[in-house]
This record gives sequence, structure tokens and C-alpha cells, in this order.
Amino acid sequence: GDSVTQMEGPVTLSEEAFLTINCTYTATGYPSLFWYVQYPGEGLQLLLKATKADDKGSNKGFEATYRKETTSFHLEKGSVQVSDSAVYFCALSPNAGNNRKLIWGLGTSLAVNP
Amino acid sequence: EAGVTQFPSHSVIEKGQTVTLRCDPISGHDNLYWYRRVMGKEIKFLLHFVKESKQDESGMPNNRFLAERTGGTYSTLKVQPAELEDSGVYFCASSRSVAQEQFFGPGTRLTVL
Repeated sequence: GDSVTQMEGPVTLSEEAFLTINCTYTATGYPSLFWYVQYPGEGLQLLLKATKADDKGSNKGFEATYRKETTSFHLEKGSVQVSDSAVYFCALSPNAGNNRKLIWGLGTSLAVNP
Repeated sequence: EAGVTQFPSHSVIEKGQTVTLRCDPISGHDNLYWYRRVMGKEIKFLLHFVKESKQDESGMPNNRFLAERTGGTYSTLKVQPAELEDSGVYFCASSRSVAQEQFFGPGTRLTVL
């Protein structure tokens, strides 16, 4: 079945460091891909998404590109801030445009130190 | 616009007891979803309502779990009787349509002792 594999954390970085969180997926159809973020004490929030191959999602300085050839959707940010400390989840919906059932990675905890 | 709310935020019960979790979706969102994250594992889909109807309950673990959405507004998820392995964080989400973003609540942390 469809699945998402995400790099394990925790990840600890200094402020202004470069961030990459790897995410790869397995899907039989044409999935949409998502990154969600959960800040301490809050619910999951959609950070960015991409619905087809070569799409780049971006938000708040974060970017991820849908790579069909490598089945990847790695999350990157050029310069992290302390406020980026959170848990990041990669997810997919099996069919683009139909997001009924999201399939999730394990989540990666990020801590950014000043 | 108020977001998705969940109650309680945290529940601690003993094995064998009953617990009911509540989710209030964003007003006007016909689609309501329940997910669960057991410690150390990925978030798993439990079920999906469209208005008051269960569209997909393929993720419900067993018949100790009962979800309802009477009137198509708020939803409850009852666990009866609770077992140790039911411990985890239960997330609720809602969306206007299945093609649109799911908005999540803060979750209910359930601890079964």
C-alpha cells in the first residue's frame, strides 16, 4: 500500500543553519504531497503542498519539490529561526484532488537553538 | 473564523473504562476526519464523515471504537472499554470538500493506565 518514509529526528540546529528533512513516498496512483507542522501546544497546520510532479510548494521560507523520479518531497529552508522549532510531518493523499485519507510519515522533531 | 476544537485536551483513564472525545469542526465544513497517533508511530487515519454519514471507517481499529456525528455538526469518538494500546493523541480535522485542505484541531491526548 501507499506509504511515507521520513528521516528520523530529533534534529537540532543553530539559528540561521540550513535545514533539510528528507521524505520519500510509495504510491500506486498520482498522489498529492504535503508538509504539516505542529508547533508546541498547537494543532497540525498545513505548511505547504504540491499536487503534481515538479511542482514546488513554498511557505514561510520553506520549500519542497515533488520529484516523481526519486519519489521524494524533501523539506528545505535556507536559514532556520528559533520559532521554527516544531514537529514536521510529511503526508500524502493517494489521489490528487481527493484528500480523504492522508497517509503520514513518523514526524521529525526540529529544535533550533539561538 | 473559529478553528477546529477538541475536548478534552487530555484524558487519563483506567483500562476498562469508557471515554468520549469530542470534536467541533469549522462551521460549514461537511467533511470531518479522525486520526490517531500512537507514541512512536505515524499518524493513522481512523474515519471520515460527510455530514452525518460515515464515508470511510476503514481505519477504525476494532468495535470498541464508536464514532458519531449526529446532525452533521460536532462528532464524538467513544472508546469502550479502553485498553492500554488505545493510548495516544487523537486528532480531528475538517474540510469544506475532499479536494480542499484539512484543518486540524489541537488533539486529545488519551492515556489509559
